[in-house]
Order: sequence, then structure tokens, then C-alpha cells
Amino acid sequence: EPEVTQTPSHQVTQMGQEVILRCVPISNHLYFYWYRQILGQKVEFLVSFYNNEISEKSEIFDDQFSVERPDGSNFTLKIRSTKLEDSAMYFCATRPDRGNSPLHFGNGTRLTVT
Amino acid sequence: RKEVEQDPGPFNVPEGATVAFNCTYSNSASQSFFWYRQDCRKEPKLLMSVYSSGNEDGRFTAQLNRASQYISLLIRDSKLSDSATYLCVVMTGFQKLVFGTGTRLLVSP
Repeated sequence: EPEVTQTPSHQVTQMGQEVILRCVPISNHLYFYWYRQILGQKVEFLVSFYNNEISEKSEIFDDQFSVERPDGSNFTLKIRSTKLEDSAMYFCATRPDRGNSPLHFGNGTRLTVT
Repeated sequence: RKEVEQDPGPFNVPEGATVAFNCTYSNSASQSFFWYRQDCRKEPKLLMSVYSSGNEDGRFTAQLNRASQYISLLIRDSKLSDSATYLCVVMTGFQKLVFGTGTRLLVSP
């Protein structure tokens, strides 16, 4: 079964540094998402992306965050000037179409900001 | 009111028990509904979609009540391996899928 692939599995960075989290969507999927989950808390929507542009974003997704699909395969989340509170699990998810299809999640990237 | 609300639990049940989880959502225009399962420190995995007429998959039954904006999940004959957090997911807005806080289930021998 096709999978969403995320790299790295764990990223440790110092406060103020920039990080890029990578996701390879399932090949025929058209809708891409980033979610985050702070330890012990709920899965929070960050952003949805379709047709090379953001379709929706949450209040969390401020100017510190950006997404792009630079080469038509990788879907990336960039976090500029990381803060301690950015430490969380970041999940990429994809869907094939705009109907009632469910999200398919990657294994996640655990980001630790020190 | 939160977009998607769930009782966080935990629900502690013995093996073989039947357990039900509830979820309410605030946006009456929501169209798609799902139940996911999440094991500790793992990604959410789809358990089942929820259809208007209700649907069943083995020991799992999902129901949707649009009038009350309420979704339920029933697990029959609980197994130890059912221990996990169960997440209610609702599509609100344009392609935005929102998660509830999750309900933790602990099945004991």
C-alpha cells in the first residue's frame, strides 16, 4: 500500500534556527496537509495545500511558517527562527481528491527545540 | 464552542466489553466525518469513515446524527489491542479536517 513518507524522523535544533521538514505524498494525491501534535495534546491543523497554493491555514500558521512543493514531489514545511514551544510531532497528511476521502498520514517528524 | 469535542476519558473496560464514544461538532455545514485511532507517539490511522446511514466494520459501528451534530463509535467485544486513543475528525470549511482531543481507551484482561 502506498505510504506518505516523512524525513527526518527526529530533528533537534537550537532556538532561533530554521528547520525544514520534508514529506513525499502518495503519488496520485492532490491535497496536502501539515498537522502538529504537542506531547500530550490534540492533533492541530496547521495548513492545507492544493494546486501549489495554500487553501486554508490556522491561527498557528503565522509568518514563522511556510510551505512549498518545490520540485513537484516533496512537500515541505519550513519553520523560521524556531521557538521552544515549536517542539512537537509534525505530521504530513495527504488526500487523493476533494470528496469524502480520508487523510493518509506519514509517520511524523519529532521536532525538539533546545 | 470548540469545533470538535470529545470526552477525553480514559475509559477503562475489561476485555469483551462494549464501549461507546461520542463526538460533537459545531459547524452544521460539515460534510465528512471519520474516526481515527492513535497509538502512543504514533501517527493517526484511519479506523473508519462515518456515513449518513451509519456503517459497520466488524466489531466497530459508527453513527452520524446531523440534527444533533453528533457522531458515535461503538466497539463490541473489546480486545486488549483496542487500547489506544480514538480521534473524531470532521471536515469543516474548504478541505480543512479538524481533530477532536481524542478519547483514551484502556482494555484490561
